[in-house]
Amino acid sequence: DVKVTQSSRYLVKRTGEKVFLECVQDMDHENMFWYRQDPGLGLRLIYFSYDVKMKEKGDIPEGYSVSREKKERFSLILESASTNQTSMYLCASSIHGTIYFGEGSWLTVV
Amino acid sequence: DAKTTQPTSMDCAEGRAANLPCNHSTISGNEYVYWYRQIHSQGPQYIIHGLKNNETNEMASLIITEDRKSSTLILPHATLRDTAVYYCIALLDTGANSKLTFGKGITLSVRP
Repeated sequence: DVKVTQSSRYLVKRTGEKVFLECVQDMDHENMFWYRQDPGLGLRLIYFSYDVKMKEKGDIPEGYSVSREKKERFSLILESASTNQTSMYLCASSIHGTIYFGEGSWLTVV
Repeated sequence: DAKTTQPTSMDCAEGRAANLPCNHSTISGNEYVYWYRQIHSQGPQYIIHGLKNNETNEMASLIITEDRKSSTLILPHATLRDTAVYYCIALLDTGANSKLTFGKGITLSVRP
């Protein structure tokens, strides 16, 4: 079975903290993605990567960065968390057009 | 990637067929229509995809119009567990899918 694993299901962080959200996939996929999801706004793409050490901005990259040092791992970094980054974050990987999502990480910034 | 449009919401009775429409009038010839669904508080799940021909799997059927400008996802016997947000997207079925973006999807409510 395909598997995309997000390291933390629920996190609470303070404003200004640096936050790491980790994602690992075990399917040897080249493409990986980070989305955030907020009520009424659907899924919005933050960053994606189509190869190791490669990254591309999505629709809402401001306030975020990413790291892809190994093919199976794609990390989302909030350099200085703010309350407007409270959201559910979804990692995904894909082969061709079939996308596999993780279960999501619920981040609350207080 | 072609833009898709879907109604905001719909409902259907349990046991009846749910027909979820999607418009993709700007779809290009080599873009596939993909459907995903997201049950509350879970990550989205792949359902089905197709290019020109109608497709069926254990979860659903996909009907694509001849001009490929619209499609319909059919859940033949909807259950309460099918209540979810359904996303229709148009993608190139190659290894070069880059910016995968989703719209707001359609919220399906299955009533007892």
